[in-house]
Amino acid sequence: TQLLEQSPQFLSIQEGENLTVYCNSSSVFSSLQWYRQEPGEGPVLLVTVVTGGEVKKLKRLTFQFGDARKDSSLHITAAQTGDTGLYLCAGAKAGGTSYGKLTFGQGTILTVHP
Amino acid sequence: DTGVSQDPRHKITKRGQNVTFRCDPISEHNRLYWYRQTLGQGPEFLTYFQNEAQLEKSRLLSNRFSAERPKGSFSTLEIQRTEQGDSAMYLCASSLNLVAGPKETQYFGPGTRLLVL
Repeated sequence: TQLLEQSPQFLSIQEGENLTVYCNSSSVFSSLQWYRQEPGEGPVLLVTVVTGGEVKKLKRLTFQFGDARKDSSLHITAAQTGDTGLYLCAGAKAGGTSYGKLTFGQGTILTVHP
Repeated sequence: DTGVSQDPRHKITKRGQNVTFRCDPISEHNRLYWYRQTLGQGPEFLTYFQNEAQLEKSRLLSNRFSAERPKGSFSTLEIQRTEQGDSAMYLCASSLNLVAGPKETQYFGPGTRLLVL
């Protein structure tokens, strides 16, 4: 059972468009991480958000952590073909033996057409 | 290259055979995680180590699976009597956990893709 719901599962857009990917849960996470994964490779970390309401910007990418630390979003401005890939959100819970274990969403496959 | 490395990158085996994968974490990282990822899904947690101690195992990890980290450095994941349902990408990640807190970040290796025929 996935505790993190990502939407949309698939996104196909033209170069230059903006997009937002959502990651929602009924659980509270101590931190949430966003990864990008290329076919046949491992996930590559984009950002970690830890504080409710936190907003982080990475060039054209903007990440937000919900006030209640249950949801997050990734917004890409003026998408480029190089942004194509699988985007994954992953939450970590604090405390106990499960500390540090990541729970992943099912991912969003983004395709940016020239 | 000082990132997480995994070997082999690809493995094709016949049903019933045993396979072993190796993960070399980032050198100063004390935590090592194994995940499994099937096509179209996000990775799912299998097990993790703090130094050489295996602290948690998922119920996904049947008794055919065993993982070790004997010296607190590299780790191996063995699957005995492989089944077709074991076909997946096996990912290893490592992290540095010094003081309990929410900022631990996991860095992933390139994965081992297993195909069981």
